Amino acid sequence: QVHLVESGGGVVQPGRSLRLSCAASEFTFSSYGMHWVRQAPGKGLEWVAVIWYDGSSQYYADSVKGRFTISRDNSKSTLYLQINSLRAEDTAIYYCATGDDFWSGSPNYWGQGTLVTVSS
Amino acid sequence: DIQMTQSPSSLSASVGDRVTITCRASQGIRNDLGWYQQKPGTAPKRLIYAASSLQSEVPSRFSGSGSGTEFTLTISSLQPEDFATYYCLQHNSYPYTFGQGTKLEIK
Repeated sequence: QVHLVESGGGVVQPGRSLRLSCAASEFTFSSYGMHWVRQAPGKGLEWVAVIWYDGSSQYYADSVKGRFTISRDNSKSTLYLQINSLRAEDTAIYYCATGDDFWSGSPNYWGQGTLVTVSS
Repeated sequence: DIQMTQSPSSLSASVGDRVTITCRASQGIRNDLGWYQQKPGTAPKRLIYAASSLQSEVPSRFSGSGSGTEFTLTISSLQPEDFATYYCLQHNSYPYTFGQGTKLEIK
């Protein structure tokens, strides 16, 4: 049973940075692309980023390009999302999700999410 | 970027009804589309992948169809547990994009 646990969320002041983590278990993490998806309070889902199985390629939503960095450590089965220059509009639940194959495909298994609140 | 237009944004229906939700892509995406169900306070769950393939353990009353720019999710006979919000997602080209969502409510 695929298991994904996000952590690192919290209340952060505008302009600060934050790193989210997603610990993966019960599947071969190094064989799958991984996604981050977020959901602002009361809003719909927004795809944020994807990283290929070996970390060789990353792709981002236009709204986060240049401020967010997705990365992974296959030796630790952990996915990361570095968020810089936080803005109020980054307030959301952040979910990690597995892809379908080495590269990406549609998000399949999801974690429970971690809440990031940007507020002074 | 590819825009996904989902309709309707909300829908009231009764148990036993057949309902259809539509997603239109701003350009052709082959069959690179997934459908997701989300209940309040929980993570989304994928129902359909590759436009028409049923995710394992998802009831057969859910079905997906379409290719290119027009896609549908159909629930053949609504059950009480199906009242939720549904999203489509295109994964044909980056950045991936979700539809705006359809909130399915009990009539």
